[in-house]
Amino acid sequence: QAVVTQEPSLTVSPGGTVTLTCGSSTGTVSSGHYPYWLQQKPGQAPRTLIYDTTKKHSWTPARFSGSLLGGKAALTLSGAQPEDEAEYYCLLSYSGEGVFGGGTKLTVL
Amino acid sequence: EVQLVESGGGLVKPGGSLRLSCAASGFTFNNAWMKWVRQAPGKGLEWVGRFKSKIDGGTTDYAAPLKGRFTMSRDDSKNTLYLQMNSLKSEDTAVYYCVYYYNSSAHVDYWGPGTLVTVSS
Repeated sequence: QAVVTQEPSLTVSPGGTVTLTCGSSTGTVSSGHYPYWLQQKPGQAPRTLIYDTTKKHSWTPARFSGSLLGGKAALTLSGAQPEDEAEYYCLLSYSGEGVFGGGTKLTVL
Repeated sequence: EVQLVESGGGLVKPGGSLRLSCAASGFTFNNAWMKWVRQAPGKGLEWVGRFKSKIDGGTTDYAAPLKGRFTMSRDDSKNTLYLQMNSLKSEDTAVYYCVYYYNSSAHVDYWGPGTLVTVSS
């Protein structure tokens, strides 16, 4: 099974910009991996922010965006808010099998 | 209103079996692509498997490490998704979430509250 890698932790200042990345042990991440980004806050079920690399749900704040960057999937947060402090998971698809990354704990400080 | 309610979790001994159910309401279940995601206490998310709608082929995909022990099924007449788990190990201890994420034409994102499975002697 492929291994999906994320930064274990990142810190961003309020109002700042941060990029979380998602790499694959099999090589370059592409749109064919249909990257998802999920947010999970303590005690809550996860919710999807981004699917299919760049697409947003209706509830996804405009300050979040998805992309492919340097062979990885990326989630960029521009103008961080205190409520964005959470764990972020990427999910990649490998011919139908999904694999989550280990998650990035994002601190807004 | 979309609702997903998992049930069937509990305490089971290593080597035992358990069947989880996910009762769905508020949407057209037979058009839904569903998946199971689990989360061990204090750990990250783990993708378990997915079940496409019958109109889109009705196929299943499983996480490689779980293939052969875990089996999903669905009863569209009862709007229910199932996860049969056999030969359970301590590392299967987790909250199991049922997720409705696609409906043959659009991405959605609905999660149940989860059900806790504890594998321990």
